[in-house]
Amino acid sequence: QQQVKQSPQSLIVQKGGISIINCAYENTAFDYFPWYQQFPGKGPALLIAIRPDVSEKKEGRFTISFNKSAKQFSLHIMDSQPGDSATYFCAASMYHRAQKLVFGQGTRLTINP
Amino acid sequence: GAVVSQHPSRVICKSGTSVKIECRSLDFQATTMFWYRQFPKQSLMLMATSNEGSKATYEQGVEKDKFLINHASLTLSTLTVTSAHPEDSSFYICSARDNNYGYTFGSGTRLTVV
Repeated sequence: QQQVKQSPQSLIVQKGGISIINCAYENTAFDYFPWYQQFPGKGPALLIAIRPDVSEKKEGRFTISFNKSAKQFSLHIMDSQPGDSATYFCAASMYHRAQKLVFGQGTRLTINP
Repeated sequence: GAVVSQHPSRVICKSGTSVKIECRSLDFQATTMFWYRQFPKQSLMLMATSNEGSKATYEQGVEKDKFLINHASLTLSTLTVTSAHPEDSSFYICSARDNNYGYTFGSGTRLTVV
């Protein structure tokens, strides 16, 4: 019940296209859903996060869509650029209890120029 | 924004020796810190959770006597890999949590045991 399932495992998108990564969770007690971007040899960096009381959050080219009833959330990267090529992780936690983040398996995104 | 400083970024040690990795929250107080291990092309695997002034809580399968965690202050946590062996070679990442900034990650430490 603590799992977060992420797909696809890898994704290739043309420059200017939309990259979409999906995650599903089981634990309805989760109340914080962040997305992290990680470059090789670096720690993950927070991209954007959402709470379950909203269905969408947008920050620049990055949008999280959240479906509470389906227990799914997704990351959309608009106008994808070669610099967006990285590994992306979704995660979930019981934030109000200062609990650990549960990570998805990761998606390796490649943006072709 | 929140910054977590992790040192060293890379370390090579001989088999049988111990290595200490430091994780500092620079501009906030972290009541909870987390230590992760990451193998190539894999996700982050939580090793332990530490709260300031308390003993760390280790995940199942993580040897507490091998991976010593100390969280003596609200801005510093350390991970000591004792009697390191080649199979301990990995990328270790810390994370600090506070109510304002959420979870902030350090830049990671590449440990190579030879």
